[in-house]
Parts: sequence; structure tokens; C-alpha cells
Amino acid sequence: DVQLVESGGGLVVPGGSLRLSCAASGFTFGRYWMHWVRQVPGKGLVWVSRVNPDGSIVDYANFVNGRFTISRDNAQETLYLQMNSLRGDDSALYYCARVELVADDYVAFDVWGQGTMVTVSS
Amino acid sequence: DIVMTQSPLSLPVTPGEPASISCRSSQTLLHSNGYTYLDWYVQKPGQSPQLLMYLGFHRASGVPDRFSGSGSGTDFILKISRVEADDVGVYFCMQGLLTPRTFGQGTKVEIK
Repeated sequence: DVQLVESGGGLVVPGGSLRLSCAASGFTFGRYWMHWVRQVPGKGLVWVSRVNPDGSIVDYANFVNGRFTISRDNAQETLYLQMNSLRGDDSALYYCARVELVADDYVAFDVWGQGTMVTVSS
Repeated sequence: DIVMTQSPLSLPVTPGEPASISCRSSQTLLHSNGYTYLDWYVQKPGQSPQLLMYLGFHRASGVPDRFSGSGSGTDFILKISRVEADDVGVYFCMQGLLTPRTFGQGTKVEIK
């Protein structure tokens, strides 16, 4: 089965750091763009970051402001999100998601993990 | 960033009855290739989001034909022709035209 499993979330004090991981299985991880999307429980979805298949192209939401780094290890089939200088408003459930080509030159989020919770609080 | 606005935010529905969700974008989602870069996702209780529709009106794999998408430019509609109990959840529209991808606030569909 195609699966994404996030880990690494937890409680961290403001200004602290966390590294999230997303382990992929059931597909050729190195062929896909991968994204991070976050969600405050009960609220909406917010796109965070993306990385291309070989890790050479990355993009971030404006609110990241240099604090997060997305990366991947295709040999280990794992996606990462290094989060530094965490703030209270970074508290959310963080999902990793795969995008798949669903039509000519168009991709959509077709596989999501179950999410890992990040809580930033003193 | 493109702002996505959904209405209503809460939608109580009667099983067997139709339901409709509106989504509006702050700028056109029409790509130069003629496609409209608008997706719908549903997040069922306790689950991660899942793709429902893409490019405005294409159903994702396994999505029943009770679901349909329409609209163009900046105004879009998701319709459920006959709501079933399994349809409860939060429905999000999302624009795929520009980075950052942006989502609507979500519409919570619940059974009356």
C-alpha cells in the first residue's frame, strides 16, 4: 500500500527546534514532488513547503521566513522538515503529502500522511 | 497570495437531499492552457484530507458520480446530488494555479 507516516512532533518551547520526518512506502519516492501542509485542529489547511524529486528546488510559505528547511533522502525514502525559531502560531498538525500527475501538466495532492502534532508552548 | 473563500461554513443536510458548496477565488484560476486549476478535498472525521475533484470538475479515482464540480474563472460549486451519511466531513477548495497553494476555510457538512 502507498503510505506516508509522519513522526517527530511534540512539545517544544518558543524559540526551540523540531525535525519532522515523513517515511514513504509503497511507491518510488524519488519520483515525486513532496509537500508539507499544516492544520490547527478544527481549522483550515495551510500549505507550508514543497521539494522537487531530487531536492534541488524548494519553496516555502511566506510565514516560514527562513525558519524552516525542507529536505529529503531518497535512498531512505524520507521527507524532512527542520523547524527552527518556533512560535506559538506554528502549533499545528503537520501533514506530508505527495503530489501526483492527475492530468496533462497538473498535479494534485493524492496521498496524505496521518500527521504529526507540533505544540509550541512554554 | 490567492485568497479562497467558501460558503457556507456549516451545512446541515438531510440524507437523500442535494447539497451545494460555493468557493470563490480572489483571482481567476483559468490557466493559459484552458484548464481551471481548482481542486476539492474532503476531510472525513478523524482522517487526513483526500482528493475529491481536480481541475474543477474531474472526479478523483473512486469518487461516486453523486459528486460534481462546476464553475469557471473565480466562482466554483461542489454539488452532492443526494447526500449520504458517509459524506459528512469538512470540504475544502484549493487553488493549484500559483505557489503558495491556498485553501478555502472549509465547509463542514453534517447530517441533520
